[in-house]
Amino acid sequence: GAVVSQHPSRVICKSGTSVKIECRSLDFQATTMFWYRQFPKQSLMLMATSNEGSKATYEQGVEKDKFLINHASLTLSTLTVTSAHPEDSSFYICSAHPGEGGGDEQFFGPGTRLTVL
Amino acid sequence: QKEVEQNSGPLSVPEGAIASLNCTYSDRGSQSFFWYRQYSGKSPELIMSIYSNGDKEDGRFTAQLNKASQYVSLLIRDSQPSDSATYLCAVRLNNAGNMLTFGGGTRLMVKP
Repeated sequence: GAVVSQHPSRVICKSGTSVKIECRSLDFQATTMFWYRQFPKQSLMLMATSNEGSKATYEQGVEKDKFLINHASLTLSTLTVTSAHPEDSSFYICSAHPGEGGGDEQFFGPGTRLTVL
Repeated sequence: QKEVEQNSGPLSVPEGAIASLNCTYSDRGSQSFFWYRQYSGKSPELIMSIYSNGDKEDGRFTAQLNKASQYVSLLIRDSQPSDSATYLCAVRLNNAGNMLTFGGGTRLMVKP
């Protein structure tokens, strides 16, 4: 159990375009999902916390107008990188929390590698 | 002081040895502690969770928690080359909701 999927696994896009990444919890309902970014040889950096049915909470320094997060259901959160630029190239990883009664663990998706040309 | 600290390594151990990974945290009210393994180019994978003082064993892995000293460790017995990865310590800090705070990770290298 506790499977989280992400789509796409890899995307290459031109500078200025927008990219949408989907994160799904496949066998549990996730009241909270988290979006992380990881640059090569660096640690995970939390970008935002996504709660179903409410606005996402962004970490300091993360532009909410650039990284749009939607958590429309208990099994799906999306991250849209708007007007992507080469410096946005990174490994984007989501994680999902099962909510009350589901333990404290977070389960990670396989990640999406974004390359902006 | 970082909220969750780990030695970045690399920690190099020979195959078959015990690898000991350590993590300290600053928030004395923290209640939940996790170890994740991350292979290069992959996302983190949950190995162990621990909530009470003492040891918790799962196969070759043992997590140890000492809340008084504010440290949590992970022991890997009979280390294998396939255990070579970065190990991330994560803590749910007090009043942090469902959010986990991650250490920077320790890179483990198991040499055949």
